[in-house]
Amino acid sequence: LAKTTQPISMDSYEGQEVNITCSHNNIATNDYITWYQQFPSQGPRFIIQGYKTKVTNEVASLFIPADRKSSTLSLPRVSLSDTAVYYCLVGDGGADDKIIFGKGTRLHILP
Amino acid sequence: ETGVTQSPTHLIKTRGQQVTLRCSSQSGHNTVSWYQQALGQGPQFIFQYYREEENGRGNFPPRFSGLQFPNYSSELNVNALELDDSALYLCASSVRGGMGNEQFFGPGTRLTVL
Repeated sequence: LAKTTQPISMDSYEGQEVNITCSHNNIATNDYITWYQQFPSQGPRFIIQGYKTKVTNEVASLFIPADRKSSTLSLPRVSLSDTAVYYCLVGDGGADDKIIFGKGTRLHILP
Repeated sequence: ETGVTQSPTHLIKTRGQQVTLRCSSQSGHNTVSWYQQALGQGPQFIFQYYREEENGRGNFPPRFSGLQFPNYSSELNVNALELDDSALYLCASSVRGGMGNEQFFGPGTRLTVL
């Protein structure tokens, strides 16, 4: 199982772009990279998923370099409501894939 | 299309008791996973069910057990409750064979063991 490493916490200001990087040196060929967002006392919410290069949706962008050993979640123009814990996971979703959450990155947006 | 629901929202039990938590999967999803999340920690994988059979288990003792029903809803049972079992229990549904590990989480059940 590929292990992920993320910064424990980050602070930013409203209107800024925030980039959270995740390291996954042992990522397997079939693994996808998935990011979740979690607010206090709520279940995690899927943000974005990718395999290589760049993926963009209405919420975020995900940048994955060619070696896939890391990925960067980019949140454009954050607001106070983006204050949450962000988790990076890798896996292939197959029959024996156990979803492993680390401690995530606690993002605090300041006014 | 309804999302993942869990019941009850909150629950208080005493040490040694047994508890059953329930989860209804998102429509069309055939796989359900359960997680335990202690305060300030990431969710810890308990086990996963697919086609009514346990398919993968995390580092949890046998007193944590589960069921998945033909309609893909699920139960988590915990026997002989301990104080350390106090946590948020999350259920997530997904589609086996889907891309990567996109899971849809319910709001969780907050269990307090006194």
